[in-house]
This record gives sequence, structure tokens and C-alpha cells, in this order.
Amino acid sequence: DAKTTQPPSMDCAEGRAANLPCNHSTISGNEYVYWYRQIHSQGPQYIIHGLKNNETNEMASLIITEDRKSSTLILPHATLRDTAVYYCIVRVGGNQFYFGTGTSLTVIP
Amino acid sequence: GAVVSQHPSWVICKSGTSVKIECRSLDFQATTMFWYRQFPKQSLMLMATSNEGSKATYEQGVEKDKFLINHASLTLSTLTVTSAHPEDSSFYICSARDPNGGMNTEAFFGQGTRLTVV
Repeated sequence: DAKTTQPPSMDCAEGRAANLPCNHSTISGNEYVYWYRQIHSQGPQYIIHGLKNNETNEMASLIITEDRKSSTLILPHATLRDTAVYYCIVRVGGNQFYFGTGTSLTVIP
Repeated sequence: GAVVSQHPSWVICKSGTSVKIECRSLDFQATTMFWYRQFPKQSLMLMATSNEGSKATYEQGVEKDKFLINHASLTLSTLTVTSAHPEDSSFYICSARDPNGGMNTEAFFGQGTRLTVV
């Protein structure tokens, strides 16, 4: 079962930063937070993951609060191609990734 | 980067027939692969964990006799939907992790297979 909660939908203006929140209040000390996105009718695409330090790559930044109970994915300059469903996942125990309901991000021209 | 590939991308079959979907890890060996199902406007639901050389582990509520999983090699897992019916129409997605990347490495997903049973 998913250990995360996300808002069902968000809008963002093209060119602006998109900040997608995620709550994972029951996360354990050694569990990572992963972010994926899914564009319609495609498989999920990996974005970024982290444990407790903030992370940045060519796609996005991940900000994890000090208590690790929540995190924010930041797309610094959203484009229309960033319109997708974004999933925040905390991998529980073994190898499995359980998906929650995600946030449907719409980038508006 | 690591790539996971599925085949076919889409398939239409008649009710009562069986359909096989392949999932391959293209540049790494995956001892474990995962199968998901996604209905329209819903999230991905994990169906089963495919283990190379041993039986798959199914999630609660998933019929193992209907969704046969075979993981005969380190780069190939197959999902066979047996005696398919229209309610089995869905988007099936596989994923795998590169074990050489460490235990917290990300999983990579295939492009998905759209199954339509008529």
C-alpha cells in the first residue's frame, strides 16, 4: 500500500516553477522517496529520488523536510511537455514500488 | 541509462483466448521484475513480483492461475493473461531495477502494453 498522499491536481503557468508536494508522515529512517511521472498511455518515467538531503538533477529538484515527513518536487521552468501525472513513492521494505493516486499537473500556456 | 522494453505495445484479442506480454531488461540483468495493471483514470496497481528461477509472488486479490508469470532468464519476464475476458482489458506495465546499482536504485518501467479483449 502507498505511504504517500498528494493533491489530486495542480495547474502551473508555462515557464514558472511547478512545486508538487507530497506527504509521507510514516516514512521510516532508511526509506527513500522516489518521484516518477506518467504521460498519458506511457510507462512511468523516473525523475529523482532521495533520502534526506536535497537532490537536483537535469529534470528537477527534490526538497525533503528535515523530519522527512514531506517533500516537494520542483520543476524549475515548467513546459507544456511537463503536463503529466506525478507520483511520489516511498518504497516499503522489499523491492516493490506501490503507487498512490498521484498529482495531475497541467501546464497552462 | 537502463532500459526496460515491453512487447507488444498493444494487442487486441478475442474473449477466451490467451495473450502473452514480454518484458525485457535491455542493458542489465534483473533477478526481479514487477508487473502492474492500470485501468483508465486510475493509478498503477502492482499485480505480482516476478523472480528469476522461482515462482512469482502475487499481490492479494490477483489470480495466479489467470495471470501466469514466467521469468526464465535474467533479462526476460513474461505475463500471460489466460482465457482473457473484456474486463481484463487494461494497460499492463512491467518494471525492473538494476541490482548492481545498489538496493535503493530506481526502478525503470516499460512503455506498457494496451490489451483490448473483444
